[in-house]
Amino acid sequence: EAQVTQNPRYLITVTGKKLTVTCSQNMNHEYMSWYRQDPGLGLRQIYYSMNVEVTDKGDVPEGYKVSRKEKRNFPLILESPSPNQTSLYFCASRGPQETQYFGPGTRLLVL
Amino acid sequence: KQEVTQIPAALSVPEGENLVLNCSFTDSAIYNLQWFRQDPGKGLTSLLLIQSSQREQTSGRLNASLDKSSGRSTLYIAASQPGDSATYLCAVFTGGFKTIFGAGTRLFVKA
Repeated sequence: EAQVTQNPRYLITVTGKKLTVTCSQNMNHEYMSWYRQDPGLGLRQIYYSMNVEVTDKGDVPEGYKVSRKEKRNFPLILESPSPNQTSLYFCASRGPQETQYFGPGTRLLVL
Repeated sequence: KQEVTQIPAALSVPEGENLVLNCSFTDSAIYNLQWFRQDPGKGLTSLLLIQSSQREQTSGRLNASLDKSSGRSTLYIAASQPGDSATYLCAVFTGGFKTIFGAGTRLFVKA
């Protein structure tokens, strides 16, 4: 089954404690992306990757890092989380001229 | 800078009614446009993808149109059902590989 998986699904952490949210897709897609969704602000793109070792900033990259060492994986790293990064995070992938497929989301609370 | 607007922000209709959701974008240089559905607390489900060279796409009771020159897309839902109640999001994929989402239309279909 074609899918995008994210882990963890729920995470509570404290300010400054480094964390990683993993994302994996099994569709051999080159393009992957991370979004955050906040009430009243909608979905905003954090980072995207067009292929292995090729990443670029979206609209809200501050405070986040990404890496793309393998085609299937695109982890999101918060080196020093802050309360304003409390949000619902989505990972997505898309193939050439295809739809974007979204993961189930990761709900993050930073205290 | 590309901006995507969805009107109305919320809509309540009786079951059986046909309805139209609107999406407008400021820069016509898009690669494609995609409509999604999001249920409360859940991820995004792709409904329809329209390539920039296409005028419309249909899937079941759904029909999406695209007018690139005027920066508009519409999602037509025929014979609405209570199960159609959800938030509907449109997103444009730009030539620069970014994805910009609208804020969504929250639809409620009354039985």
